[in-house]
Amino acid sequence: SQQGEEDPQALSIQEGENATMNCSYKTSINNLQWYRQNSGRGLVHLILIRSNEREKHSGRLRVTLDTSKKSSSLLITASRAADTASYFCATPRWGGSARQLTFGSGTQLTVLP
Amino acid sequence: GAVVSQHPSWVICKSGTSVKIECRSLDFQATTMFWYRQFPKQSLMLMATSNEGSKATYEQGVEKDKFLINHASLTLSTLTVTSAHPEDSSFYICSAWTSGTETDTQYFGPGTRLTVL
Repeated sequence: SQQGEEDPQALSIQEGENATMNCSYKTSINNLQWYRQNSGRGLVHLILIRSNEREKHSGRLRVTLDTSKKSSSLLITASRAADTASYFCATPRWGGSARQLTFGSGTQLTVLP
Repeated sequence: GAVVSQHPSWVICKSGTSVKIECRSLDFQATTMFWYRQFPKQSLMLMATSNEGSKATYEQGVEKDKFLINHASLTLSTLTVTSAHPEDSSFYICSAWTSGTETDTQYFGPGTRLTVL
């Protein structure tokens, strides 16, 4: 089963609004990453947050991590139509190579112009 | 940032034939490459981990004789789907890791869409 589960599965918003996606995981981690995937394309790394960090920013992205709740959120502010994509959280796989990742189920974001 | 390419970007083949997919790291040496499979509207599932010069490590349920992986150099890994069947139709994505990146960040190729008729 997937280490990470994301909600919502799908999110549709108007351009200019903020989009928030959540990710929950089951085991202890030392970091959590968010990736973006445009339809039919590969993944693009967005941001990595370490277990000793609570919040991290990158441009219009804000990621939070709550290790006590085993959850993370990705906030995209002032969304644009070009932000339409699937967003996945990923965590190092328990018991595997430190470089192996387990991906969440993903959130499909649609930003309407 | 680091660039990973895949070739071909899409391929259609007849059932029973073999298909080779290439994954190249263009501007860095990839210590480790990963192969994923993604079915429509689903997440990525790791198929195998490939280290240069050694045998690939396959995930449970992935047939190593069906999905042949060769990581012959630090910039090239290949995945060969042997005797492909329609159920092998999927989106195959590779990723590469190098010691120059943050510990667990991977760089992904653009993916290869395989359709088996």
